[in-house]
Amino acid sequence: DQQVKQNSPSLSVQEGRISILNCDYTNSMFDYFLWYKKYPAEGPTFLISISSIKDKNEDGRFTVFLNKSAKHLSLHIVPSQPGDSAVYFCAASLMLRGSSNTGKLIFGQGTTLQVKP
Amino acid sequence: DVKVTQSSRYLVKRTGEKVFLECVQDMDHENMFWYRQDPGLGLRLIYFSYDVKMKEKGDIPEGYSVSREKKERFSLILESASTNQTSMYLCASSLWGQGILGNQPQHFGDGTRLSIL
Repeated sequence: DQQVKQNSPSLSVQEGRISILNCDYTNSMFDYFLWYKKYPAEGPTFLISISSIKDKNEDGRFTVFLNKSAKHLSLHIVPSQPGDSAVYFCAASLMLRGSSNTGKLIFGQGTTLQVKP
Repeated sequence: DVKVTQSSRYLVKRTGEKVFLECVQDMDHENMFWYRQDPGLGLRLIYFSYDVKMKEKGDIPEGYSVSREKKERFSLILESASTNQTSMYLCASSLWGQGILGNQPQHFGDGTRLSIL
């Protein structure tokens, strides 16, 4: 049962344009969402996150939008740069023990972004 | 910067061997995690630990065990390696966070690419 889905395995955009990566989830109990970027032969690098009590979070060129009613998450990169070419994973956090949060993440399958010069 | 170090980048072992993958973090994080990454499946959680000597099963614990004797170190053990355990293994750590506004991102090592022959 795939609780976090990235339905587009790949995306190609021109340098300077907007990249929009999408993610859907099924579990309404998720309370924290993250985006990671991964280059080949390296571990995932944390990019940006959003709490379920917000609908937008911005950090430089990266903005994450959360639509809880649609159970949909998106990452906008503006403007896109060739160095942004990587695999992007969305992830959702599931609170496990009472009011504490152990930070367990459930990941999507990833979307490969290619930014062409 | 958070540093998560995995002891080997590449490892080749034989079927039936007992395999140890080591992970060390230098940020005094309470939580540590082991994932495996396979094409088309994203990252899947094997085991995690929220305190020394504490461990909990993730989504795919079969064939694996873990050890956390010290806060900074989390070991993944393949009791009797099999070819279907050939994969990229990623270790991560995070601070413990309380409640919905206390969520903390996980920080990853660069991974160990393990081949079982």
